[in-house]
Amino acid sequence: AQSVTQLGSHVSVSEGALVLLRCNYSSSVPPYLFWYVQYPNQGLQLLLKYTSAATLVKGINGFEAEFKKSETSFHLTKPSAHMSDAAEYFCAVSDRGGNQFYFGTGTSLTVIP
Amino acid sequence: DAMVIQNPRYQVTQFGKPVTLSCSQTLNHNVMYWYQQKSSQAPKLLFHYYDKDFNNEADTPDNFQSRRPNTSFCFLDIRSPGLGDAAMYLCATSRGSVSNQPQHFGDGTRLSIL
Repeated sequence: AQSVTQLGSHVSVSEGALVLLRCNYSSSVPPYLFWYVQYPNQGLQLLLKYTSAATLVKGINGFEAEFKKSETSFHLTKPSAHMSDAAEYFCAVSDRGGNQFYFGTGTSLTVIP
Repeated sequence: DAMVIQNPRYQVTQFGKPVTLSCSQTLNHNVMYWYQQKSSQAPKLLFHYYDKDFNNEADTPDNFQSRRPNTSFCFLDIRSPGLGDAAMYLCATSRGSVSNQPQHFGDGTRLSIL
């Protein structure tokens, strides 16, 4: 079965600093990859997705992620953190040919003023 | 805007008293999912419908049931809620079995058990 690892359950950055949230997948066949954000007491909102087009994917709110097959990674970045970025972030993968998502355990991002 | 709507946003029920959570969608997606999310954890898939076909996860307790009367609506029934069932319940939809399509989530229903 597919698995997703998010290194760092809690990440703190200063406002204006680089945001880097890590995600690694386990499949030898590159899956489809997604990043979601969840604000308190809300559902999950899609930030971006990788579906085997460009390896650098741009999403909403200034976030982007780069698919690296050699590293089986799909890390999420944002050049300059904003206070409104404080939230829980989930990486998810979907096997090609399936319709089930496998979620990572999430990373809670804190932005320090 | 096309969306996934969950009602109510907050639900309080008594231990052992049946409760139903509802989800509706205007996206016309044929797959609908129910997830359980406990505090500081990832969503856990309970079951999903592909059109009218029901797919239960192996570790979903029998206490949890679901109904999908039509494309737009899906219900989660908890027959005898226990204290351990207090959680956020998320409904999601996706288009077909095309696995490169994202899931679209509602804002969830937070269930409390007294």
